[in-house]
Amino acid sequence: GQQLNQSPQSMFIQEGEDVSMNCTSSSIFNTWLWYKQDPGEGPVLLIALYKAGELTSNGRLTAQFGITRKDSFLNISASIPSDVGIYFCAGRRLSGSARQLTFGSGTQLTVLP
Amino acid sequence: NAGVTQTPKFQVLKTGQSMTLQCAQDMNHEYMSWYRQDPGMGLRLIHYSVGAGITDQGEVPNGYNVSRSTTEDFPLRLLSAAPSQTSVYFCATSWGAGEQYFGPGTRLTVT
Repeated sequence: GQQLNQSPQSMFIQEGEDVSMNCTSSSIFNTWLWYKQDPGEGPVLLIALYKAGELTSNGRLTAQFGITRKDSFLNISASIPSDVGIYFCAGRRLSGSARQLTFGSGTQLTVLP
Repeated sequence: NAGVTQTPKFQVLKTGQSMTLQCAQDMNHEYMSWYRQDPGMGLRLIHYSVGAGITDQGEVPNGYNVSRSTTEDFPLRLLSAAPSQTSVYFCATSWGAGEQYFGPGTRLTVT
């Protein structure tokens, strides 16, 4: 199966700094999603993107659906300690089951006080 | 409204044993799926169901069986556990073209 290429794998940042992570693929996706996973929990949806070029914000989080439909990025501004966790991108195609997701391998974020 | 529940939360099996991971939802979602999560691999789809009585294979179905007799329940069966099945298992649900909601996970160790 195909995985998305998500980078970086891990990040250590100071509280208050901005964070940027991205996902790329050789295939086109019709939907891009960003999830956050806290330790011992399941992933929770942060932002969903449905149109190429779309830029969507959720509080301090901003995500964009790449024009080529093959990439997406997530920015977190002014990081705080509760931002710690694993962030996953996920893409969905219209072929096959319309709701099947392909996940990136995750970005482990650590926020230092 | 409990959302998506999974049981057990933790399980240790010996090689060759069988067991069933339970997933239940009270949101009346038609679509349910099972993923496994391994370090550095993200989440990989095992099996999914688009409604009661309908199931299909995902990316990594070998060694697992599923059935969907009701809208609410979607159990995942390991027929003969192997160490390679040591993982964290997540159940997810969605309604129509809506986004997936994940359960809290089952952490399985096969020795």
